[in-house]
Amino acid sequence: DTGVSQDPRHKITKRGQNVTFRCDPISEHNRLYWYRQTLGQGPEFLTYFQNEAQLEKSRLLSDRFSAERPKGSFSTLEIQRTEQGDSAMYLCASTGRGSTGEGTEAFFGQGTRLTVV
Amino acid sequence: DQQVKQNSPSLSVQEGRISILNCDYTNSMFDYFLWYKKYPAEGPTFLISISSIKDKNEDGRFTVFLNKSAKHLSLHIVPSQPGDSAVYFCAASLSLGTYKYIFGTGTRLKVLA
Repeated sequence: DTGVSQDPRHKITKRGQNVTFRCDPISEHNRLYWYRQTLGQGPEFLTYFQNEAQLEKSRLLSDRFSAERPKGSFSTLEIQRTEQGDSAMYLCASTGRGSTGEGTEAFFGQGTRLTVV
Repeated sequence: DQQVKQNSPSLSVQEGRISILNCDYTNSMFDYFLWYKKYPAEGPTFLISISSIKDKNEDGRFTVFLNKSAKHLSLHIVPSQPGDSAVYFCAASLSLGTYKYIFGTGTRLKVLA
């Protein structure tokens, strides 16, 4: 297993266009997260899947954003009608099952750098 | 409201000396803490973690200390090496529920040769 894989690594798009990113988590990881990172900030939580179920969405995820994880494997994040403020690094992370009462570290992909011009 | 704070945006340390990176949090419900290291144009890489039932965790040159009463954690790197130069993020989570992380804004560490 080569870790969490994200595609594409870079995306430049014109304002108003739709974009879709893909994340392939570590196999057998049941938890998948999307984060967004802008310059000078830490990653900010966007949404979380446990298997195929999207269990939590941040208020940062406007109705122009949609995420899916069909069959509980890879996930896609789509942004419709992109705006310049959407320019950021979009990070995907996955974790396995944590022991009861304990946390577990998330493994991040290399991210997709989105630039909206 | 920034629940996890890293008040030092940057730190420079001489090679071989100790690097100490600090992190404060406000939510007393957090019970799992992590440090991630990030190089430019790459995703964060897990470094070390600590559960709230402990006050210290060590892994090689890296040690994380947790002071729950002060809601403060720190990462010690001894000895510091030029390859340690990166941005370090602390993160906190609840071990129940989604396990989502709340990240600080990061500290850029520069280790001088």
